[in-house]
Amino acid sequence: KNEVEQSPQNLTAQEGEFITINCSYSVGISALHWLQQHPGGGIVSLFMLSSGKKKHGRLIATINIQEKHSSLHITASHPRDSAVYICAVTSGTYKYIFGTGTRLKVLA
Amino acid sequence: GAGVSQSPSNKVTEKGKDVELRCDPISGHTALYWYRQSLGQGLEFLIYFQGNSAPDKSGLPSDRFSAERTGGSVSTLTIQRTQQEDSAVYLCASRPTIAGNTIYFGEGSWLTVV
Repeated sequence: KNEVEQSPQNLTAQEGEFITINCSYSVGISALHWLQQHPGGGIVSLFMLSSGKKKHGRLIATINIQEKHSSLHITASHPRDSAVYICAVTSGTYKYIFGTGTRLKVLA
Repeated sequence: GAGVSQSPSNKVTEKGKDVELRCDPISGHTALYWYRQSLGQGLEFLIYFQGNSAPDKSGLPSDRFSAERTGGSVSTLTIQRTQQEDSAVYLCASRPTIAGNTIYFGEGSWLTVV
């Protein structure tokens, strides 16, 4: 079993839909990261959080430390949100543990 | 520079040849990582640098792979005698310190071994 699990693996949504991507982890962490990878390959860091909730534009990330669970929400989804979303955790050292990613496709 | 810069962005090489991939991290970032991503797969850790030292090179797949970092800045990943299974995107990332900071990725070097 992977230390970081994401669900779903693949997600197709219609433009405008509210999207939720989930991440569960089984190790102690100091921070959880949400990353976005577009088809060209570049990876962008969206959020780094260790508690509570963060919001940036239409993106919202939440984390529940007790339940070892985080969610990434996208409101009013758009085709340009189509990408792979990756959850990763760090535990106070240099190491990142990555999930396998959620491939999102938003249809116009 | 403004971001993490990698070169070349694309490289096609013949099996058996050596390749060098370069990473220019964000200025001042002491931590530098190399990852590999095969088509449709997740990120595979290769090596971690803190300054010019590589305290963790456990992810290098074989002794054909090596990496160095000079001046606490530019890093080079070298693959000797390339094989077809080396074909992947090689991603470099940097962050300011060991822990507690956002990580920044380059656009990757797409390597195809024919």
